[in-house]
Amino acid sequence: QSVLTQPPSVSEAPRQRVTISCSGSSSNIGNNAVNWYQQLPGKAPKLLIYYDDLLPSGVSDRFSGSKSGTSASLAISGLQSEDEADYYCAAWDDSLNALVFGGGTKLTVL
Amino acid sequence: EVQLVESGGGLVQPGGSLRLSCAASGFTFSSYEMNWVRQAPGKGLEWVSYISSSGSTIYYADSVKGRFTISRDNAKNSLYLQMNSLRAEDTAVYYCARMITIAADYGMDVWGQGTTVTVSS
Repeated sequence: QSVLTQPPSVSEAPRQRVTISCSGSSSNIGNNAVNWYQQLPGKAPKLLIYYDDLLPSGVSDRFSGSKSGTSASLAISGLQSEDEADYYCAAWDDSLNALVFGGGTKLTVL
Repeated sequence: EVQLVESGGGLVQPGGSLRLSCAASGFTFSSYEMNWVRQAPGKGLEWVSYISSSGSTIYYADSVKGRFTISRDNAKNSLYLQMNSLRAEDTAVYYCARMITIAADYGMDVWGQGTTVTVSS
């Protein structure tokens, strides 16, 4: 049972927009920066979003992050087949003194 | 090129020990906080441990506390994870990852390719 809650899977058609949610609490998302990672099959994770909504250099602007209270979201617009991957949210938890991840969301591009 | 390369994984019996290493290159290793993150087969990402740039601050996940020890040698541009009393549930790919230099953000922008640890008799 992950501290951060994500839907196990989402799917959408190419060129459409999809949103992945991440629900936490006041000790993690509510008080700390949220990060999002993309993990392609057999590969190491890649940082997509830092500080809730900022994109690292080189990350496509089709990805965007947002946060409200104790929940965060990752949106991917203009879906492409290469976006099929697992996506994870993460944040520091002040109560646990630990970095916590969501359980991951598998994105399928139909 | 900025790079992290893990080594030291392998097959070990329950109760055994293993030491993972992570060699950093292409950046000033001593300026960066580092983490170990693992992923069990078919499972999600699990944070294992954090170490500050100087090594003075360290955190562990509850699941490894008292069994694993994180350390670093800034002169050798290397990060380590000493794993003792290994259990079957420690079986995973272990990644070392560099933290971004944004205060109050634990994002990790550079990851190694991972090293596989299998705990089995």
